[in-house]
Order: sequence, then C-alpha cells, then structure tokens
Amino acid sequence: DAKTTQPPSMDCAEGRAANLPCNHSTISGNEYVYWYRQIHSQGPQYIIHGLKNNETNEMASLIITEDRKSSTLILPHATLRDTAVYYCIVRFRLVGSARQLTFGSGTQLTVLP
Amino acid sequence: EAGVTQFPSHSVIEKGQTVTLRCDPISGHDNLYWYRRVMGKEIKFLLHFVKESKQDESGMPNNRFLAERTGGTYSTLKVQPAELEDSGVYFCASSPLRDRKNTEAFFGQGTRLTVV
Repeated sequence: DAKTTQPPSMDCAEGRAANLPCNHSTISGNEYVYWYRQIHSQGPQYIIHGLKNNETNEMASLIITEDRKSSTLILPHATLRDTAVYYCIVRFRLVGSARQLTFGSGTQLTVLP
Repeated sequence: EAGVTQFPSHSVIEKGQTVTLRCDPISGHDNLYWYRRVMGKEIKFLLHFVKESKQDESGMPNNRFLAERTGGTYSTLKVQPAELEDSGVYFCASSPLRDRKNTEAFFGQGTRLTVV
C-alpha cells in the first residue's frame, strides 16, 4: 500500500471548516484513499473514502487532486467533538474482501472553542 | 444494532501472567481483525479472521500471542506469558464479508492492557 504523509497537528476554530491535507504521491491506479479518525479513548472510526472523484457524506467531504497524489478531508463545520487523530490511509479495495488497514501517525486535530 | 464489543475494557496483570481478551463482532460480520497500539507507537495490524479461519496473521508479534475464533462468532486473543512490552490498547474490528455497499471496518472501544 502507498505511503501517506500528514501534518502532525492542526488547530481549527469551532464552527469553521477543518481542512486536513494528505500526500500520497506513490499511489497507484487501483488504490483508494480512506480516512479514519480516533477520538480519545475510543476505537478508530471510518469517515469516508474515494478513488478519484470527490466524495461527500454526512460526516465530511473528500477532495482528491486530479493527479491523485494528494487529498484533503474537509469537516465543513467543526465541533469540539471532532477533536481527534485523523488518519489518511491508501489501500486497495476489493469488494467482498477486506485487507488490513495500515495506520500512520495521523494528524491531531484540535477544535478550539 | 450493537457495535463491536470488547472485554475487558481494562486489564492490569503482572509480567509472566496470562491474559485473555475477548471480542464480540457485529452480528453477521464474517471478517474480524485484531489491532494494537503499544505505547508511543502507531496502531498496528495483528491478524484477520474470515469466519473461523485465520486469513492473515502476519502481524502477530510472536508465539506468546494466540488468537482463536471458534464457531466463527466471538474471538479471543490470549497473551501467555505477558511481557512489559505487551502493554497497550488492543482493538478489535469487524466487517461484512460480501457487502458491495460498505466493506469498511467497525472498531470496538479497545482493551487497555497494562503489564507491570
């Protein structure tokens, strides 16, 4: 699976959009970009994933550059409960199967009141 | 719908003792995974069950760790004998086997293991 690079920490004001970047310059054509987060003392939680098109769900939006070498996770209106470590993970996705997740060090997002 | 449940939530044992962690996946999920985060390190994959079979156990650190999933329902992870470096948080996750809509993993709250 391709390696990812994320900033170690970011701050965001409550109510503002949080934009978390991720570089994955060695991504291959069949690899997806996944985002998980881990709120303190909880297990990791799936947020969103995408291949090349931008994606949006009830939690966040995912913007993937045209060359797919980087992406941005957007939390449109961050709340204090969004304070967590956010992990950008690149891996193959096989329907009907599931490979292990490779967590890096992630980005510690702190939402400030 | 009940999520992934792990028991116990915390365990403190002495070096050399045995500890067994349990994971109850979401009902109907055939994929079951164990991960762990040891102090100061990243979350690392341990192994993957498909039903009762071990699909991938490449992340198991050594033979002191034994995972089972008899009957393809709940799973146990036994550490025997426990060492100080085994301290950390052990996560279990599950996902459905054949679900085109969502094959993402759902994680439990984890078991915090402290070996003293």
